[in-house]
Formats: sequence, structure tokens, C-alpha cells
Amino acid sequence: KQEVTQIPAALSVPEGENLVLNCSFTDSAIYNLQWFRQDPGKGLTSLLLIQSSQREQTSGRLNASLDKSSGRSTLYIAASQPGDSATYLCAVASGGSYIPTFGRGTSLIVHP
Amino acid sequence: GAGVSQTPSNKVTEKGKYVELRCDPISGHTALYWYRQSLGQGPEFLIYFQGTGAADDSGLPNDRFFAVRPEGSVSTLKIQRTERGDSAVYLCASSPRVSGADTQYFGPGTRLTVL
Repeated sequence: KQEVTQIPAALSVPEGENLVLNCSFTDSAIYNLQWFRQDPGKGLTSLLLIQSSQREQTSGRLNASLDKSSGRSTLYIAASQPGDSATYLCAVASGGSYIPTFGRGTSLIVHP
Repeated sequence: GAGVSQTPSNKVTEKGKYVELRCDPISGHTALYWYRQSLGQGPEFLIYFQGTGAADDSGLPNDRFFAVRPEGSVSTLKIQRTERGDSAVYLCASSPRVSGADTQYFGPGTRLTVL
């Protein structure tokens, strides 16, 4: 059974810092890995999807990398802003279907 | 275009009652997913549909939970004899198809509180 762990559970930083959020998974036979953002009381918004054959994806100030052999992914946020404050969830699709298994998330606060 | 919508946004019920939660996916999306999210946890898979049929219901916790998608669009999650442990946010998502290349688009969720 796939298990997804995210570290740290919470993070509070001043505006402008570059951040790294970590995700690890136990089964390396994956279809894809996604990073989502969740704002309080809201649903999830997909940020980046990395397919099994890819090593990284970039969107604006966000960059996500994937290392299947070590079972790890990192989400890099450059020049953080208060608007980046949210919970960031990592999800891994593996097994017999494309159903993602989610981590518990990293709660990020960026203060001015 | 319109995103995934869920109704109601909040539902408060008493232990033992029956509830229905509705999901309207993005038009044309064939895959529809239900998840449950408890406080401080990531979403937990319940069931997904490919068209009208339930392709995988392995995440439903017990036979009090049931979901339908009769016309391949709107889906209803039904919970019988609700228990306090059913309290959570129920999330619905849809995607164009079931594949490793397609992301899922989530609705805002229904917060269920069982008193």
C-alpha cells in the first residue's frame, strides 16, 4: 500500500524567502505525482503534475522535481509571498488505477 | 467555464439520519471521484466513476455509504444511518478521463457534521 509523507507539517517564513517542501512515498511504481494547494475551507487546486517519465515541472515561481528511485519529490517556491499561504498537498498515483494517495500536507504561512 | 460544484456546502444532521451530497462535475468529464477529508489529513479516496459505472469503490468504509451517477454527469453520495465519525469534508473531483496525464479538478467540498 502506497504511503505518502510530507515534511515539514508546518512552516512559517518571512516574505521573500525561497522554500522547499518535501514529499516522500514508499512505492516507486507510480504513474504520476501531483502537488496541490488548498486554501482554508476550499477545495484543492492542482499546481503541478509530474508524470512518471518526467523529472520536473515548472510553473511561474514553482518548480517540482521527482526522483522515483529514492521515492522523493520536492516543491520549490521562489520569492515567497503572503498570497502563497495555504496548505500544500502531495499526491501519488500508483497501483492498479490512477487514484492518488495524498499526504497530510504542509501548512505554509508567509508573513509580510 | 464552470468548475466542479457541490451542494450543500454545509450539512448538519443528527446521528442515525440519512444524507445525500451532490456533485456537478465539469461538463464533458467522464471521470468523477469522491474523497473524504478529516481535519489535519489529506483527502482519502472513497469511490470513482468512469461514465455511469462505479469503476472502483474500494475506498467506501462500509455498506452505509453508496454513490450513484445515473446519467454519467451529476453524482450523489448517500450515507445511511450517519455516525459521528462520518463528520468530515466530502470532496468531489472530475477529470476528462482516467489517465496518468490528466489532473483532477476539485469542488469546494461539503462539510458534514453529525451531532
